Formats: sequence, structure tokens, C-alpha cells
Amino acid sequence: DAGVTQSPTHLIKTRGQQVTLRCSPKSGHDTVSWYQQALGQGPQFIFQYYEEEERQRGNFPDRFSGHQFPNYSSELNVNALLLGDSALYLCASSLPLRENEQFFGPGTRLTVL
Amino acid sequence: RKEVEQDPGPFNVPEGATVAFNCTYSNSASQSFFWYRQDCRKEPKLLMSVYSSGNEDGRFTAQLNRASQYISLLIRDSKLSDSATYLCVVNTPSSARQLTFGSGTQLTVLP
Repeated sequence: DAGVTQSPTHLIKTRGQQVTLRCSPKSGHDTVSWYQQALGQGPQFIFQYYEEEERQRGNFPDRFSGHQFPNYSSELNVNALLLGDSALYLCASSLPLRENEQFFGPGTRLTVL
Repeated sequence: RKEVEQDPGPFNVPEGATVAFNCTYSNSASQSFFWYRQDCRKEPKLLMSVYSSGNEDGRFTAQLNRASQYISLLIRDSKLSDSATYLCVVNTPSSARQLTFGSGTQLTVLP
């Protein structure tokens, strides 16, 4: 049973560029959450997707957007990248109504130069 | 004030030592509490949930004090493999779909 997978593993971009990160949830999970983890900090909630809609959002600007597909996989898009967007981006999946039990993927490490 | 605050660490302890981590949370409506473990450059993994009555899993004991809004994790007989960052996590009804993480406390167990 595959766990949560994310791609790419690492990514280097320059300021002002746009990036798309991808996530496939654990088998049987239909809810996907995205987190940003800066160096030395805990993960910060970006947003959550369920039934192809964003149903909760953290304190992140509109430059951060997402999408969920019918197969429950998800994308995180970040526009107009800033140096401060450099972080580990984590995807977590969970079962319906079981958001307390979130399973994390290995993350995508984004570096913005 | 941060929603979840933890001991800054780092903690460097010898093998076999007992080590305790503390965490406080600001939202009194918080209902679910967890400790996650994160190895260097890896994803967080659930270590254990924390219940009001306290709970134990082998060498690990978690305690919750709702009145003081305080959570603790005790590791007994620490092993080299316990070296990791320990993240205190809470979940509140108003934002039940997200986990709120502390900044983490780094533990290094020395041989």
C-alpha cells in the first residue's frame, strides 16, 4: 500500500517564477492538506482540499493556490515566488472526518534564488 | 503569542537518560493533541495522541493538563534512535481540518 507521494523531491526556482507541486494521497484517502515548513520551524497549514474544493485555508496570500483532481491527487501552485517561499512543502492525506489522523508525504524542498 | 509553544532545545542527553519535553497552547477550545516525530530532512510522523487521562506507549508517556493548557512528553531509557525533532500539535474545533504545530524541540541522544 503506497503512502503519500510527492513530486518533485527538490526544485530550484528564481524570484518571480511560478511553481507547481504535486501530491498523491494514501490509498483510500480523499482529503489532502498542504503545509509549508521553513527551516527550524514547524509545518504551517496552507489549505485543505476535499471533493475537489478548497474547504479551509490558513494565513497564506492568494499567490498560493491549489487544485484537487477526481482521483484525489492534488497540486499546489505558487505564483510570483519570493525568497521567503523557500521551504519544505508537505502534503498530508486523511480519511473523511478523520483529519486528526494525517499522513504526510516526504515533501518537496523548494529553493528560491 | 504563538498558538503552540515548545521548549526551544536542543536537548543533548546520554543514552539511557530520561528526557521531558513541554508544550503550551493558547486556545482553550483545543480538543485534540498529539506528538509528532520528525527525523532530519524527513516528513513528520505521528508518535502518539495525548489524552486527558495521560497515556503511555512503551518508553513514551504523554500527559495533558487542560487547566494549564500544557502538554508533556516523557521519554525513558532514551536510545540513539530517539534522536529527532519532536513536534507538539493541537487541533481546535474552529479549524478542525488543520493541525497547528509547534516549532519543535530537537533531541540528540549521545552514545
